[in-house]
Amino acid sequence: NAGVTQTPKFQVLKTGQSMTLQCAQDMNHEYMSWYRQDPGMGLRLIHYSVGAGITDQGEVPNGYNVSRSTTEDFPLRLLSAAPSQTSVYFCASSYAGLAASGANVLTFGAGSRLTVL
Amino acid sequence: AQSVTQPDIHITVSEGASLELRCNYSYGATPYLFWYVQSPGQGLQLLLKYFSGDTLVQGIKGFEAEFKRSQSSFNLRKPSVHWSDAAEYFCAVDSTGNQFYFGTGTSLTVIP
Repeated sequence: NAGVTQTPKFQVLKTGQSMTLQCAQDMNHEYMSWYRQDPGMGLRLIHYSVGAGITDQGEVPNGYNVSRSTTEDFPLRLLSAAPSQTSVYFCASSYAGLAASGANVLTFGAGSRLTVL
Repeated sequence: AQSVTQPDIHITVSEGASLELRCNYSYGATPYLFWYVQSPGQGLQLLLKYFSGDTLVQGIKGFEAEFKRSQSSFNLRKPSVHWSDAAEYFCAVDSTGNQFYFGTGTSLTVIP
């Protein structure tokens, strides 16, 4: 089982460049999300999706775009990278809307470390 | 707005000693509560979760956590720590099934 796969694992960008962090899951999870992890800040939700064609903003959405054209994929786009976006990014997925059943447990990818110079 | 507080940034314990990591949340109703562990350079792994019922929940690797509604707390415990438990621990809250909020984490060091 591949679970949640993130690519690339490492990336260095210059200010103003654009890039896409890829996230794919093979568990047929409806819910997918992106977090950034910064020292002393924990994980902060950037964007999330509860199904194909549906996305919504989290705590820190500015500077990031997402789309969800398929159940499996949830790419995160940085249109014009800034040094403040230097971080470790995690994609996570789960079954959606099943909190009461105990099914909404997040499965995380291994992370993507991004440095913006 | 919801929030999750982990008041201890860093904890050091001796191998074999007991451990308690604190977590407090701010939310009007009883949310769904989780503890995750992150080893260096890795993603997060679920330790345990609380949804309803028995307020003492058991997880993997010998961890347990107790939900106390009156204190809005969900503290993680382990009776005897192993060197392999050294990691970062995150408490998380989910109220809707769609948005998970994480605490800032507690880094655990285990000394021999």
